[in-house]
Amino acid sequence: DGGITQSPKYLFRKEGQNVTLSCEQNLNHDAMYWYRQDPGQGLRLIYYSQIVNDFQKGDIAEGYSVSREKKESFPLTVTSAQKNPTAFYLCASGTGSGHNSPLHFGNGTRLTVT
Amino acid sequence: AQSVTQLDSHVSVSEGTPVLLRCNYSSSYSPSLFWYVQHPNKGLQLLLKYTSAATLVKGINGFEAEFKKSETSFHLTKPSAHMSDAAEYFCVVSLGPRKLSFGAGTTVTVRA
Repeated sequence: DGGITQSPKYLFRKEGQNVTLSCEQNLNHDAMYWYRQDPGQGLRLIYYSQIVNDFQKGDIAEGYSVSREKKESFPLTVTSAQKNPTAFYLCASGTGSGHNSPLHFGNGTRLTVT
Repeated sequence: AQSVTQLDSHVSVSEGTPVLLRCNYSSSYSPSLFWYVQHPNKGLQLLLKYTSAATLVKGINGFEAEFKKSETSFHLTKPSAHMSDAAEYFCVVSLGPRKLSFGAGTTVTVRA
């Protein structure tokens, strides 16, 4: 079955450590996205990529980095510069064209930093 | 610019009774509109979408939504709630892949 796989499901880190969240899709979608979800705030866009080897900052990119070396993969690194990293992170993919194509979401990674 | 407001942060219904989740939006252009559902610790699943065709849109699991341009609303309804409908629901306005706005979400509780 086609879909988006995020791993791990739960991640615990100490403050000051960088951590990388994995996102893989086999939907052959060009575009991939990272969102952060906090209670009562909906989803906020961190980074997005429309094609391989290209990505753009979203609304809350500070303290995060990404790469897009393969069409299928879009890992997100949460760096020690991110002031409040504890959150639920969602990866999504889409065809990347038009405004009527919905996004497909992974099951998320819950990151806890102490 | 666009924005979306979900008018209720929490809705509680009895099993077998109707569900109404309210969503108002603002947009400078004609957007596409989506409803997603999220179960605990899961990703978002598409329920239905409006893309300027029929104003009454049918989705999965018995949900439907009506687009009303004059009221800038896109309310989600289901005639008879089931226990499995307990989840969080998000209304989304889209002007393009980079320009999605998510509502803050409505949590639905279903009482037996």
